[in-house]
Parts: sequence; C-alpha cells; structure tokens
Amino acid sequence: AQKITQTQPGMFVQEKEAVTLDCTYDTSDPSYGLFWYKQPSSGEMIFLIYQGSYDQQNATEGRYSLNFQKARKSANLVISASQLGDSAMYFCAMREGRDGNQFYFGTGTSLTVIP
Amino acid sequence: DAMVIQNPRYQVTQFGKPVTLSCSQTLNHNVMYWYQQKSSQAPKLLFHYYDKDFNNEADTPDNFQSRRPNTSFCFLDIRSPGLGDAAMYLCATSTSQGETQYFGPGTRLLVL
Repeated sequence: AQKITQTQPGMFVQEKEAVTLDCTYDTSDPSYGLFWYKQPSSGEMIFLIYQGSYDQQNATEGRYSLNFQKARKSANLVISASQLGDSAMYFCAMREGRDGNQFYFGTGTSLTVIP
Repeated sequence: DAMVIQNPRYQVTQFGKPVTLSCSQTLNHNVMYWYQQKSSQAPKLLFHYYDKDFNNEADTPDNFQSRRPNTSFCFLDIRSPGLGDAAMYLCATSTSQGETQYFGPGTRLLVL
C-alpha cells in the first residue's frame, strides 16, 4: 500500500488566490511526522512545513499552512495569496516512528500559478 | 550559507564507467540519505546512514554503493552506470529525531 498519496498530478491557480494541495497518508504508527517540500525546476528540494502527529494545532509558516485531519489521515497544504514563484512541484512526505529515519514521498503535484 | 553541498551539480559519464557523487554537510546531522529522482517522479530512497550504520533499501541495486568516512561527508558510488541510472541524485541530512530533512541542490547524472 502507498504510504503517501497525492491525487492531483497538476493544479492551476490564479495569482493571489489560495490553493489546496491534497495529501493522504497511511500508517499504523502513533508517532509520525508529515512534511511538505517544494521542488522548482532547478531541482532543489525546499522544506516548507512540518506537522507532528501529536501536534494539537495545524502548522503554519508564512503563506503556508497544513490542514491536518488525523482521523481522515490527511495533511493538505494550503498556500494563500499565490505568487508566480510558487509554480513548482510539491511533494508530501512522512516519517514514521519517533526515531524513524525513513521518509516516504508522494508522487507530487505540479502547481502552476497563472498571472 | 549552503548547509548541504553536492558536487558536481552536473555529471556526465559513459556507460559502464564508474562514477562517484559527493555530498557534504555543515549541520553536524547524524543521518545522511541518498535519493534517486527520475523525471516527473518522486524521490526514491536508495540508502541512508545513521552515524556509521549503513541502511540499504531492499530494492536498491548492487550497482549502487555508499561510503561515509566521517560525519560531514557521504559518497554515492555507481560501479557500472547504465542508461537507466540517468537521474537527479539528491543528498539529504536530518537529526536522529528526523523533524525534517535538509536537501542539497542535487547532482544531475547523464549516462552516454
């Protein structure tokens, strides 16, 4: 079974609008971490936001917020006020276990911001 | 200041000619990872080091080897590159708590 599922291969959003990128995960471990990364065409993976499984509040980092719904096992990324520079691939990832050192990546969503 | 450095950024090699990719870090993280990423695909974990302990993924081909001589450096050796090994190779580091991974800029490998 897939550990991380991203069902949106491609998304378009108008500049200055908000967009939600979907991510669901599969784990039976009570301790896990969820991550979002941005990968522009240059190839570098840029860390955006982290949510721990025991965190009570949704994580936020500037224009990025993570909509964490534990019961549904979803960890959607919300980007507010989209900018042209947000056009990139976005990967959702999970680390299992408190001391787990394996990260599982989804297949990614390609976001295009339209002027 | 770059925290995870990968050299070279672009590498061209010949079919069957051994090649080594390097990664260094200034974060003093005890975990280092090598990923292979092909075009339009998710990064695929090849192996990782927890300190000096080497952890190989079950489906990583024997053609791929790694060395970590010290905390700061980690190398990926491809003993006999095939055309299918052309990809972006990403190095990453994390602490043992693994709250995030810090990635290097990657090395794009082309096999002729």
